[in-house]
Amino acid sequence: GNSVTQMEGPVTLSEEAFLTINCTYTATGYPSLFWYVQYPGEGLQLLLKATKADDKGSNKGFEATYRKETTSFHLEKGSVQVSDSAVYFCAPPGGGADGLTFGKGTHLIIQP
Amino acid sequence: GAGVSQSPRYKVAKRGQDVALRCDPISGHVSLFWYQQALGQGPEFLTYFQNEAQLDKSGLPSDRFFAERPEGSVSTLKIQRTQQEDSAVYLCASSFAVRTEAFFGQGTRLTVV
Repeated sequence: GNSVTQMEGPVTLSEEAFLTINCTYTATGYPSLFWYVQYPGEGLQLLLKATKADDKGSNKGFEATYRKETTSFHLEKGSVQVSDSAVYFCAPPGGGADGLTFGKGTHLIIQP
Repeated sequence: GAGVSQSPRYKVAKRGQDVALRCDPISGHVSLFWYQQALGQGPEFLTYFQNEAQLDKSGLPSDRFFAERPEGSVSTLKIQRTQQEDSAVYLCASSFAVRTEAFFGQGTRLTVV
């Protein structure tokens, strides 16, 4: 089945720093790719998505580009805020009949 | 409803007790998924429904776990004879179609004592 490799955390940054969270995946075909975020005490929320190669998903200042040639979907943000502190999950499909496969997540801590 | 609703939010069970966790998906969503999330880990797939049909249950950890969605809407995850290792957050998600974004509920935190 499909799988995902995501950089492990915790990642600690200062406010306004540049963020990159790496994600590579293996997948059958060319699936849609997703980043989910889990804020403290809350459920998973979709952060952004890309539905085909070379697509760029963006939301709340975060961006990720679907790179078919490197099977990557790295998450970036130019200037992080304390409110971005959360756990981030890269999720390609594959978890059972086109469900999603999740890695362990990257815990991001932003310090003021 | 407006979102995926799960109940109860918290459940404490004595070891050996049976529990039932409920999921109300978004109206009209065909696909429904159950995941198990242990502390500090990502969600692990348990089972998947398309309407009332359970198409994949390969992630269920043992035959003590059983899920159903009899009318293609509400789903129940049942765990029989709970063990301490069953302690986790159980997440339900629904989506309009396969390979589309999934919407998650808040989860049910199960603690087995």
